[in-house]
Amino acid sequence: AQSVAQPEDQVNVAEGNPLTVKCTYSVSGNPYLFWYVQYPNRGLQFLLKYITGDNLVKGSYGFEAEFNKSQTSFHLKKPSALVSDSALYFCAVSHLLSGNTPLVFGKGTRLSVIA
Amino acid sequence: EPEVTQTPSHQVTQMGQEVILRCVPISNHLYFYWYRQILGQKVEFLVSFYNNEISEKSEIFDDQFSVERPDGSNFTLKIRSTKLEDSAMYFCASSEGRLTYNEQFFGPGTRLTVL
Repeated sequence: AQSVAQPEDQVNVAEGNPLTVKCTYSVSGNPYLFWYVQYPNRGLQFLLKYITGDNLVKGSYGFEAEFNKSQTSFHLKKPSALVSDSALYFCAVSHLLSGNTPLVFGKGTRLSVIA
Repeated sequence: EPEVTQTPSHQVTQMGQEVILRCVPISNHLYFYWYRQILGQKVEFLVSFYNNEISEKSEIFDDQFSVERPDGSNFTLKIRSTKLEDSAMYFCASSEGRLTYNEQFFGPGTRLTVL
């Protein structure tokens, strides 16, 4: 069975500092990995995904994530955090090659960027 | 930018009552999903839908739940006889393609409160 772990419930970072939100996964076969962000009273917004190829994936709003197969991780990063990045971040995985397989989500990490 | 919409934003109901949650997926998308998030817990998959039939469903999606695409735009989730434990945020999502790595676009959610 697929699973995703986000070990931190909360991450606090000062504005301008780099941020990392951690994610590890467990899946049989090749993983397809996603990051979504949720702002208050909004739906989940897609940030980026890893399917294959370059392990460093760049996404929306300056975010990037690095796929590490040996560590089964897909940590979300940004070089310089903004206060507006404060939100709830979800890592998700799917794995089948075809079909509309559902996403399996982590429990989310709340990012707080302090001015 | 096209987006998934959901109505109502908040629904309060009495235990045992039927509720219908409504979603309008992005117009050229062919795959539709319902997820739910109980307060403080993970986002969980309920059901996926393609070509007017259920593609996959989770253990949560029991006989009390049903989905329908009554016309060319709406996608509904019905809970026949609500229970207290159905209280959650319900998210609708849609995706364009049939491959599992196509990102899913989420609506803002409907908060269901069962009293």
